[in-house]
Amino acid sequence: GESVGLHLPTLSVQEGDNSIINCAYSNSASDYFIWYKQESGKGPQFIIDIRSNMDKRQGQRVTVLLNKTVKHLSLQIAATQPGDSAVYFCAEKASARQLTFGSGTQLTVLP
Amino acid sequence: GAVVSQHPSRVICKSGTSVKIECRSLDFQATTMFWYRQFPKQSLMLMATSNEGSKATYEQGVEKDKFLINHASLTLSTLTVTSAHPEDSSFYICSARDTARGNYGYTFGSGTRLTVV
Repeated sequence: GESVGLHLPTLSVQEGDNSIINCAYSNSASDYFIWYKQESGKGPQFIIDIRSNMDKRQGQRVTVLLNKTVKHLSLQIAATQPGDSAVYFCAEKASARQLTFGSGTQLTVLP
Repeated sequence: GAVVSQHPSRVICKSGTSVKIECRSLDFQATTMFWYRQFPKQSLMLMATSNEGSKATYEQGVEKDKFLINHASLTLSTLTVTSAHPEDSSFYICSARDTARGNYGYTFGSGTRLTVV
């Protein structure tokens, strides 16, 4: 059922600045991680993924960093644009288990 | 790239009626599909895992008789919300896993906004 008391963390950045969105994951056995972008009223859109045998992976304007020691994942967006405004979710997966989503961060890009 | 089509995108129904939501993988086969529910400003919560040709696996606390799942082919899973009540109003999202990509190919549908009045 619905959880009580949850709210989305928010991050506001100026257009053109870099954004860093953080995620703490819970399962030390997770070996695959994905960042998703979700715009209002739409389904999650894949941004970038990383497997546990890596600590950094780069895409176009995005970089994911994985620190397994402290179970921390981050998404860096370079030169943030208005179209980047959305909710960003990290998701983790352990072998033979399903994807588990984090709580999400609302990114707002200021003009 | 992989595309998942979810239909309808929005639906309004009366209390006590049933609503069916479809999830189709358009260009790949999906032995496994997933159904999520998302309340406003919250994360996606997995409701059930839909397996082609077999019974769905429901997460704890999800009523299988209320949320009927059918996965009759490698490209289609349906979720039927039976005897809907206002508290079932939510955003329902499906995801399909590309069989050819093993555990790493998840694609999401665009979601269905269900409003029960």
